[in-house]
Amino acid sequence: QSVLTQPPSVSGAPGQRVTISCTGNSSNIGAGYDVHWYQQLPGTAPKLLIYANTNRPSGVPDRFSGSKSVTSASLAITGLQAEDEADYYCQSSDSSLSVVFGGGTELTVL
Amino acid sequence: EVQLVQSGAEVKKPGESLKISCKGSGYIFTNYWIGWVRQMSGQGLEWIGFIFPGDSDTRYSPSFQGQVTISADKSINTAYLQWGTLKASDTAMYYCVKRSLAARNFDYWGQGTLVTVSS
Repeated sequence: QSVLTQPPSVSGAPGQRVTISCTGNSSNIGAGYDVHWYQQLPGTAPKLLIYANTNRPSGVPDRFSGSKSVTSASLAITGLQAEDEADYYCQSSDSSLSVVFGGGTELTVL
Repeated sequence: EVQLVQSGAEVKKPGESLKISCKGSGYIFTNYWIGWVRQMSGQGLEWIGFIFPGDSDTRYSPSFQGQVTISADKSINTAYLQWGTLKASDTAMYYCVKRSLAARNFDYWGQGTLVTVSS
């Protein structure tokens, strides 16, 4: 049972927009800690996709965007492409555990 | 260019010990936390812990405290994850991660080390 809650799977057709939610509580996201997102392509190591809620590292397409509200965060992907098919994980900090991850969301491009 | 290069896959028997490594390059090794993340087959990511090589300050997830030991040799820019007594349930992919200074994320990941524990 992960500390941060994500939907197990989402799907969308090429060109569509999908969102992935990440829900925490008052000990992590709600305590003001930033949320980060990682993309894990099949058979590869995870890669940082969004950091500090809304920021993209160099090289990440602007089709990927992040947002944060009180105790949750979201990753949005617009103009969905086949190469976006991957697992996505959110991560934050927690006052007791230091680092917490979401359970991961499998994105299927139909 | 920042790189984290991990040691190769391991196959061990239950009860054996193991130490895997992660060599950092392209950045000042002593200035950043470096840690480990576990991923069991078909499962999600779990934070194990990290170490600050500059002063060897080490933090563990409560789930892994006492089960593994994280260390670092700053003279060769290398971090380690070790087990004293392996169990079948330790079978997993283990990723080395570098923590960013400000944002508390993991901005660079190693390629992963697959550890298989089987009799």
